[in-house]
Amino acid sequence: EAQVTQNPRYLITVTGKKLTVTCSQNMNHEYMSWYRQDPGLGLRQIYYSMNVEVTDKGDVPEGYKVSRKEKRNFPLILESPSPNQTSLYFCASSSGVGAGELFFGEGSRLTVL
Amino acid sequence: AQRVTQPEKLLSVFKGAPVELKCNYSYSGSPELFWYVQYSRQRLQLLLRHISRESIKGFTADLNKGETSFHLKKPFAQEEDSAMYYCALRGNTGGFKTIFGAGTRLFVKA
Repeated sequence: EAQVTQNPRYLITVTGKKLTVTCSQNMNHEYMSWYRQDPGLGLRQIYYSMNVEVTDKGDVPEGYKVSRKEKRNFPLILESPSPNQTSLYFCASSSGVGAGELFFGEGSRLTVL
Repeated sequence: AQRVTQPEKLLSVFKGAPVELKCNYSYSGSPELFWYVQYSRQRLQLLLRHISRESIKGFTADLNKGETSFHLKKPFAQEEDSAMYYCALRGNTGGFKTIFGAGTRLFVKA
């Protein structure tokens, strides 16, 4: 089944403890992106990647890192999480520049205490 | 600056009534506009896009470049339409990133 898979789905952690949220897609998509969803703010883009080894900042990149070593994986790294990073995170992918539709993962709910 | 505005956070209508979810955008070029929907306990999924000019689940949306709007409409709302709806804009420069509005929660009452 074609899909975007995120892990973990739920995580409670403490300030400063590094964590990684994984994202994997099996559709051979070139474009991948991370969003955070907060009440009243909709989805805001954190980072995106046009292809392997090509990443760029979105609108709210502070406090996050990403990497794209393989086409299928696009992990989101929080080196030193803070409470303001408590949010619902979505990974999405699409087939490339000419394609518009984004395919989303199920979301990862992160709580930073 | 690119921006998508959905003025209503919550829209409540009765079953069988018409529904219109508003979306206005700001973009200096020719963007691609989308509506995404998130049903309870499901992932976000594409509902429709303006270039397709199609009706999905009875919903339609017309791109009005003069008013920079892309409102979503359905003549007769159904209970199963209750969901969170996001309007989205995909630019044709700057990485082709997609930006989203804040979302409108539609509640269809029996």
